[in-house]
Amino acid sequence: DGGITQSPKYLFRKEGQNVTLSCEQNLNHDAMYWYRQDPGQGLRLIYYSQIVNDFQKGDIAEGYSVSREKKESFPLTVTSAQKNPTAFYLCASYGHTEAFFGQGTRLTVV
Amino acid sequence: QKEVEQDPGPLSVPEGAIVSLNCTYSNSAFQYFMWYRQYSRKGPELLMYTYSSGNKEDGRFTAQVDKSSKYISLFIRDSQPSDSATYLCAMSEGYNFNKFYFGSGTKLNVKP
Repeated sequence: DGGITQSPKYLFRKEGQNVTLSCEQNLNHDAMYWYRQDPGQGLRLIYYSQIVNDFQKGDIAEGYSVSREKKESFPLTVTSAQKNPTAFYLCASYGHTEAFFGQGTRLTVV
Repeated sequence: QKEVEQDPGPLSVPEGAIVSLNCTYSNSAFQYFMWYRQYSRKGPELLMYTYSSGNKEDGRFTAQVDKSSKYISLFIRDSQPSDSATYLCAMSEGYNFNKFYFGSGTKLNVKP
């Protein structure tokens, strides 16, 4: 089945740690996006990539980093510079007219 | 002004009611309009997709686009408790590598 797989589903981070969220798609889409979702705030764009080895900052990129070495994969690293990382993170890949989402990773700082 | 505005709700209705969810937008170049349903702690799933103006029906769901008013709606007939979720509208200009703009979502609760 074609789709987007995010892992892990739940992730706990200690203060000062970097953590990496995985996003893999087999839809053969060029464009992949990372969003952060907080209660009552909708989707906020962190980073996006329109092609392999290229990516752009979104609206709230500070404290995050990404890589796009393969078309299928777009991992997001939440660095220790992100002061409020507790949130629900969604990865999406875009066809020409529709966005498809993964099931999300809930990150909690402990 | 945000590109897409959506009433956050929450909207609470009895089972069997007709539900109307709405979004307004400011960019007249938007051509593709989508509605996503998101259950708690899950990723959004595509519910309806419409190109340009007009209506589209799929079972109990009807999507309506009025480009002249920059206004889109999702109607749910005979609403069920399983329809309880957050509904997000989304839209794009529709070109290659285009950007999608999302509403903030409306939380719907259908009471049995």
